[in-house]
Amino acid sequence: GAVVSQHPSRVICKSGTSVKIECRSLDFQATTMFWYRQFPKQSLMLMATSNEGSKATYEQGVEKDKFLINHASLTLSTLTVTSAHPEDSSFYICSAPYDNEQFFGPGTRLTVL
Amino acid sequence: AQSVSQHNHHVILSEAASLELGCNYSYGGTVNLFWYVQYPGQHLQLLLKYFSGDPLVKGIKGFEAEFIKSKFSFNLRKPSVQWSDTAEYFCAVSTMEYGNKLVFGAGTILRVKS
Repeated sequence: GAVVSQHPSRVICKSGTSVKIECRSLDFQATTMFWYRQFPKQSLMLMATSNEGSKATYEQGVEKDKFLINHASLTLSTLTVTSAHPEDSSFYICSAPYDNEQFFGPGTRLTVL
Repeated sequence: AQSVSQHNHHVILSEAASLELGCNYSYGGTVNLFWYVQYPGQHLQLLLKYFSGDPLVKGIKGFEAEFIKSKFSFNLRKPSVQWSDTAEYFCAVSTMEYGNKLVFGAGTILRVKS
């Protein structure tokens, strides 16, 4: 089956710094990837749709300048959390569609001190 | 916009017990429905999906789900659970109107006692 990887799996950073999270489709190409955020005991919330070669599409309420998305190639999308604050601490998950199904990465646990 | 509700956040069962996890969605049009599972320390995996046709869908590992349009429901069932079914289960819906993006329920944590 299709495999999606994320790096890093965990990151701890200081408040005010920026953190980059990578999402890769390992054995297929993805013109679109999705970024989700999951709070404890809550659902996955779609943050944005990453589009290869064009701007990302953000969901309502998601700050574009805060969560920068770059879809650099057909196998890589990056999410950069800029000027991170403790309230940005969360579990970030990406997914990519393949053969009418969404394949999810293992997630990245971000902790902002 | 569509939404998904899952009735129980925590379910504890003994091995061999039957399982039913509730899922209801709010959307009046055509929907695609999914159940995902997340085992401890692993990423989300698709259990089963419904696009059209037979409303009783069979998935992997003995799971099945029934789409009841009149009730806006897509409950997940398994006749006899195993300890290895301990995981978190997410119901999700997508629609063409919403660009086929997945909208997830809050998840149900299932713990199976051996």
